[in-house]
Amino acid sequence: GAGVSQSPRYKVAKRGQDVALRCDPISGHVSLFWYQQALGQGPEFLTYFQNEAQLDKSGLPSDRFFAERPEGSVSTLKIQRTQQEDSAVYLCASSLDFGVGNTIYFGEGSWLTVV
Amino acid sequence: QQPVQSPQAVILREGEDAVINCSSSKALYSVHWYRQKHGEAPVFLMILLKGGEQKGHEKISASFNEKKQQSSLYLTASQLSYSGTYFCGATHTGFQKLVFGTGTRLLVSP
Repeated sequence: GAGVSQSPRYKVAKRGQDVALRCDPISGHVSLFWYQQALGQGPEFLTYFQNEAQLDKSGLPSDRFFAERPEGSVSTLKIQRTQQEDSAVYLCASSLDFGVGNTIYFGEGSWLTVV
Repeated sequence: QQPVQSPQAVILREGEDAVINCSSSKALYSVHWYRQKHGEAPVFLMILLKGGEQKGHEKISASFNEKKQQSSLYLTASQLSYSGTYFCGATHTGFQKLVFGTGTRLLVSP
């Protein structure tokens, strides 16, 4: 596709419910990132994939958060037993290659509200 | 620790200039600048790599001072479309993990 695509765009979950957020990166992009953005704040790093390998998951806030990219393209961020503090925008981003000089393109995000 | 941006917010009249600063307490490897409008994706503006380079993009340019661990974004002859929140994203190694700054809200009025 033309850009990074995320679904659903909006999700309301009841506390304790599991959610899955999907990211379709730009075709052929090697690097894929997940960020969490709270209202009025900058994005915060969650995890990073290079192809199908998850090379850094240091930003995942708890073991309720899990991400995968099994075939090196589409990625899913799963949050188990959601809590109110999980309410945020979850941004996916991708980059053609893994060098630091490569542009990182962001999707519009999945807005999660936990009630 | 996230980079600190200044000012936190700025209001401009169309045609005026602005400078947004991004300061890091850790050594910078690269700085990526983004603009984000409410409810939209952060939009890439430019990357600066260590080496003190300056880059330009129409009326938007940026500098990177590796020694001072700072980057500045220069907006000249601002347009209404420049309104939004500007973030710098820093990398501290050759790895792509961006640490975003505190953000600067810019409003350009007619």
